[in-house]
Amino acid sequence: DIVMTQSPDSLAVSLGERATINCRSSQSVLHSSNNKNYLAWYQHKPGQPPKLLIYWASTRESGVPDRFSGSGSGTDFTLTISSLQAEDVAVYYCQQYYSPPHNFGQGTKLEIK
Amino acid sequence: QLQLQESGPGLVKPSETLSLTCTVSGGSISSAYYYWGWIRQTPGKGLEWIGSIYSSGTTYYNSSLKSRVTISVDTSENQFSLKLSSVTAADTGLYYCARHDRQYGSGTYFSYWGQGTLVTVSS
Repeated sequence: DIVMTQSPDSLAVSLGERATINCRSSQSVLHSSNNKNYLAWYQHKPGQPPKLLIYWASTRESGVPDRFSGSGSGTDFTLTISSLQAEDVAVYYCQQYYSPPHNFGQGTKLEIK
Repeated sequence: QLQLQESGPGLVKPSETLSLTCTVSGGSISSAYYYWGWIRQTPGKGLEWIGSIYSSGTTYYNSSLKSRVTISVDTSENQFSLKLSSVTAADTGLYYCARHDRQYGSGTYFSYWGQGTLVTVSS
């Protein structure tokens, strides 16, 4: 199984500042047949289901603000929020879909400093 | 607008079978472009993918749960269902159904989620 490890577990950032969340997979999720990284990022707020933010490691889902961006390849990935807004307080998860089981990271809790 | 809604008992006794149904509206479960999956959130393991099904009935499961899980689809009702047998307190959690896009022949990211339903395992 591919194990997903996020860092840090929690993060406090001032409004308007940059937030960076890291995700590492125990093996590469880059598929050689299509050169795509099989990795997604989700935002999870209390009382709501997780919301897809980014897929294929760097493709922003429709309607997601452009302050959210994804980068990385192979085993190391980053979710960046360029200018933190109050509504971005949530837990963020990465997930690999390279091979089942489609494991998620343990989550990173993002708060306002 | 696609909507998914979980339904089923909120309380299950230990050793019994947890049964949940996901009703899909605003889209067809028979679409060739999607898989339909179950994910749960438990205190002990965070978000955990349970398994998924294609409209043809093809399934694939998390190996850690495979011996206890059955996922089925009813295309006439636009629903798919989860059965998890021999439950224990460790199975207590929030259960979500979700749609994941089928690309390059396999299930990928989860683009639509139900609101989730809380299941407690207790006598």
